[in-house]
Amino acid sequence: EPEVTQTPSHQVTQMGQEVILRCVPISNHLYFYWYRQILGQKVEFLVSFYNNEISEKSEIFDDQFSVERPDGSNFTLKIRSTKLEDSAMYFCASSVNTGGTEAFFGQGTRLTVV
Amino acid sequence: GQSLEQPSEVTAVEGAIVQINCTYQTSGFYGLSWYQQHDGGAPTFLSYNALDGLEETGRFSSFLSRSDSYGYLLLQELQMKDSASYFCAVTSGGYNKLIFGAGTRLAVHP
Repeated sequence: EPEVTQTPSHQVTQMGQEVILRCVPISNHLYFYWYRQILGQKVEFLVSFYNNEISEKSEIFDDQFSVERPDGSNFTLKIRSTKLEDSAMYFCASSVNTGGTEAFFGQGTRLTVV
Repeated sequence: GQSLEQPSEVTAVEGAIVQINCTYQTSGFYGLSWYQQHDGGAPTFLSYNALDGLEETGRFSSFLSRSDSYGYLLLQELQMKDSASYFCAVTSGGYNKLIFGAGTRLAVHP
């Protein structure tokens, strides 16, 4: 069964450092997303991406965040200068269509900023 | 703004039926989804309702009333493996995002 894969599964970084979280969406999907979940809390939308550009972003997704699809398979989230409050599980997701159709989530990257 | 309300915890026994309610306030509502998340795992899609009524998928059913801004997830013949968190999520405003509720932690006991 096709799945969204994320690397690394865990990332520990020092405050102020840059991190890049990587995702390989399902190959025939057109819409890509990043969500995050602080431990014990709800899943929060960060950004959606379609046709090689951001289609929507939340207030969380400020200038410290960026996304890129550097080739035909990878989808990355970069945090330029990490803060303690960026510590969370980051989920990549993809879908064939938009509008509430099934989004497939990866297993997540647990980011710990120290 | 957008908000979703769902109970924080529900407890049930194996074989029972449980209903998890979700009320929402949002603009430009497109539909209501339900996701399951086991501890340490990824959210997994269960159902999506865009129109009023009941959608059934095996042991799980989901209901939507757009006029009442209300939906529920019904889980039948509960099994121990159904112990997980269940999130309702709306697609609204921007068409390309899910706004999740805080989640309902379901504990199934023998």
